[in-house]
Amino acid sequence: DVKVTQSSRYLVKRTGEKVFLECVQDMDHENMFWYRQDPGLGLRLIYFSYDVKMKEKGDIPEGYSVSREKKERFSLILESASTNQTSMYLCASSLIGSKEQFFGPGTRLTVL
Amino acid sequence: GENVEQHPSTLSVQEGDSAVIKCTYSDSASNYFPWYKQELGKRPQLIIDIRSNVGEKKDQRIAVTLNKTAKHFSLHITETQPEDSAVYFCAASKGGSQGNLIFGKGTKLSVKP
Repeated sequence: DVKVTQSSRYLVKRTGEKVFLECVQDMDHENMFWYRQDPGLGLRLIYFSYDVKMKEKGDIPEGYSVSREKKERFSLILESASTNQTSMYLCASSLIGSKEQFFGPGTRLTVL
Repeated sequence: GENVEQHPSTLSVQEGDSAVIKCTYSDSASNYFPWYKQELGKRPQLIIDIRSNVGEKKDQRIAVTLNKTAKHFSLHITETQPEDSAVYFCAASKGGSQGNLIFGKGTKLSVKP
């Protein structure tokens, strides 16, 4: 079974803090994705990566950056957290050439 | 870019009834259409998908239909059960190895016993 894990289920941070969300997958997937999920807005793609050290902007990259130093790990960084970044963050991975994405359990981030 | 519209946003049915969720997409180059189910507090999981060279696909009580001309696809759940209660997301993707999906906004299905 594919396993995608995220470093925290719940996180509370203060405005202006730098926040790191970690995602690890154990199935040697090339593609990794970061989404945010908000009620009524569905899943919106923040960034994705199709190889180590490669990254591409998704639909809502503003205020975020990412890092992929190793194939199994994809980090989402909030450079200076703001209250409008309070959300559920979901990581996903997929094999190159496959469209099926496997999701992590999510991190519910609250920015005060 | 691609845009996926999903309706309805909420759907309530009686146990045993059928449920239908519809999605439309804008980019005629899209060729892969998955459906994900997200139970409360859990991660989204793929339940069925269809490619553009197929008009219909069925898996037990779940079926998906695709109309390429009209650019819409639908999820059909028959004989609904309380465990079908969840949020369902449709998505669309074009060709290429990166596998980017554009998701609809989701449908919250409630099945009343």
